[in-house]
Amino acid sequence: GENVEQHPSTLSVQEGDSAVIKCTYSDSASNYFPWYKQELGKGPQLIIDIRSNVGEKKDQRIAVTLNKTAKHFSLHITETQPEDSAVYFCATGGGFKTIFGAGTRLFVKA
Amino acid sequence: NAGVTQTPKFQVLKTGQSMTLQCAQDMNHNSMYWYRQDPGMGLRLIYYSASEGTTDKGEVPNGYNVSRLNKREFSLRLESAAPSQTSVYFCASSEGSLGANGYTFGSGTRLTVV
Repeated sequence: GENVEQHPSTLSVQEGDSAVIKCTYSDSASNYFPWYKQELGKGPQLIIDIRSNVGEKKDQRIAVTLNKTAKHFSLHITETQPEDSAVYFCATGGGFKTIFGAGTRLFVKA
Repeated sequence: NAGVTQTPKFQVLKTGQSMTLQCAQDMNHNSMYWYRQDPGMGLRLIYYSASEGTTDKGEVPNGYNVSRLNKREFSLRLESAAPSQTSVYFCASSEGSLGANGYTFGSGTRLTVV
């Protein structure tokens, strides 16, 4: 069936460095790719999304890139800060067709 | 803006007890969802409501029932709780049930069944 693979499962970076999380998907018909951030004890929060007709989207320190040919998309966080420490989930599809990746736990060391 | 509000935040049940998890959204979204989150299993869809008056099963519906009370409210009921239902439950909403519709999640209900 359709699935989304997310790597790495854990990522530790020094404050100020960049972090990259990558997801691959199997359904070539996917056309919506959201990213969620989940802080400890809270629900996931949509932080950025991209549609299939766009190759890259930026919002301040975060950006998402999409390669539809290779069926992968990535989250890039620049100038990381301690408050970026959280679990990040990629997903494909929207509404009830959303398929989540397994999550990446990001640690930003001060 | 409150967004998506879930109650209660924590609950402990004995096996066989019943309870209802409440969820309300104030964003005028059409679609609402219930997920459970377990270590190593990620987020799994229990039930969803594409619009007021409709409900459909998700990936893991057994042992649960739902009610879309009105456009704002979507409740999840456990009729006879089992230890396997120990989990963190999240309610979410979106403008539509298909296409480029991301979720707004509530803060979760941590349920323990003993």
